[in-house]
Amino acid sequence: GEDVEQSLFLSVREGDSSVINCTYTDSSSTYLYWYKQEPGAGLQLLTYIFSNMDMKQDQRLTVLLNKKDKHLSLRIADTQTGDSAIYFCAESYSGGGADGLTFGKGTHLIIQP
Amino acid sequence: NAGVTQTPKFQVLKTGQSMTLQCAQDMNHNSMYWYRQDPGMGLRLIYYSASEGTTDKGEVPNGYNVSRLNKREFSLRLESAAPSQTSVYFCASMNRRAFNEKLFFGSGTQLSVL
Repeated sequence: GEDVEQSLFLSVREGDSSVINCTYTDSSSTYLYWYKQEPGAGLQLLTYIFSNMDMKQDQRLTVLLNKKDKHLSLRIADTQTGDSAIYFCAESYSGGGADGLTFGKGTHLIIQP
Repeated sequence: NAGVTQTPKFQVLKTGQSMTLQCAQDMNHNSMYWYRQDPGMGLRLIYYSASEGTTDKGEVPNGYNVSRLNKREFSLRLESAAPSQTSVYFCASMNRRAFNEKLFFGSGTQLSVL
């Protein structure tokens, strides 16, 4: 079945760039997403990329997609303390039914002062 | 805009008790979902409803039942709660097969089963 993998923790210094990586297995993915979860809250859609795109930029966020390697990354420029959260990678696939998105286990982004 | 609303936010149950988690969305979405989130396990799909009148099992359906009451509402029921069901539960909705599919989440229900 479909699988999405991401590392569990990333620690960066405030002001540096954060790069969160994700790999997925389903080559028929149509959209790939990044969700952010702050403590005690639900998941909020941060950004997404269509599978025929290589890159998408939105202010401090840059999403890179390498479809050949099935690798997705999220770069956060000038990381701030407010970026401290869990970041989930997710994919939507066209081959299956209506059972939503497949999520990774989430990467905890830790900001050091 | 309310989006996806879940109730209650917190609940403590004793083993064997039953309860229903309520979820409603006001975005006219056709598909609704229940996930549970556990440390180190990420999000796991319990049940989903592709459209009004249909429900299907997800990855971890045992011990749960669902009802898609109408297009807006999708409830999750624990008939006989077990400690293994201690978790944070999230309801979500989306328009599946829309041009740009986005999943919207409620704020979660923290459930403890003693």
